[in-house]
Amino acid sequence: GAGVSQSPRYKVAKRGQDVALRCDPISGHVSLFWYQQALGQGPEFLTYFQNEAQLDKSGLPSDRFFAERPEGSVSTLKIQRTQQEDSAVYLCASSLAAGTGYEKLFFGSGTQLSVL
Amino acid sequence: AQKITQTQPGMFVQEKEAVTLDCTYDTSDPSYGLFWYKQPSSGEMIFLIYQGSYDQQNATEGRYSLNFQKARKSANLVISASQLGDSAMYFCALKAAGNKLTFGGGTRVLVKP
Repeated sequence: GAGVSQSPRYKVAKRGQDVALRCDPISGHVSLFWYQQALGQGPEFLTYFQNEAQLDKSGLPSDRFFAERPEGSVSTLKIQRTQQEDSAVYLCASSLAAGTGYEKLFFGSGTQLSVL
Repeated sequence: AQKITQTQPGMFVQEKEAVTLDCTYDTSDPSYGLFWYKQPSSGEMIFLIYQGSYDQQNATEGRYSLNFQKARKSANLVISASQLGDSAMYFCALKAAGNKLTFGGGTRVLVKP
């Protein structure tokens, strides 16, 4: 596809359920990021991949959150035993290059997770 | 640590007028980049403009310009000739050491006809 694709667009989970959120980055993009955006706030960094390597997971709020990108393309963010405070929009972004410097991030439309 | 502050939670602007969105930042890294993103109700973050810390001139992209004042650590976005489609959330973001963006809390802009 032409852009970053995320699925599902909306997810409703009962507290305690496990969820899996998928991100398809732009083909050929090396870097992939996950962000969490609470209602009315700016996105907060969760984790970063360069190809299949998870180089930074400092933003993951607890060990219930796990992300993977096994083949360096599609990524999955998994949340185990969901809690109400996990309710947010989860944004995925990708960029062509790796490393520091100017790299425009391309964002998906996000997955809105509601935990009841 | 990096920090971005957007002090205006919301703004009204008359169609065809200009609007300035404030952004201040804090970082100890000498090399950094500042980004502005637009987030319409659809949720997607749309890149608007970029300013590098060593850039000598203020960045411009069409109707968007960035008023970069390095000594004051500010990077305000100016939108000229506002259009109804400019109604959205606007986020300022900083990238310094490492490869992640740090976002501010955003400013909601509503353009009035």
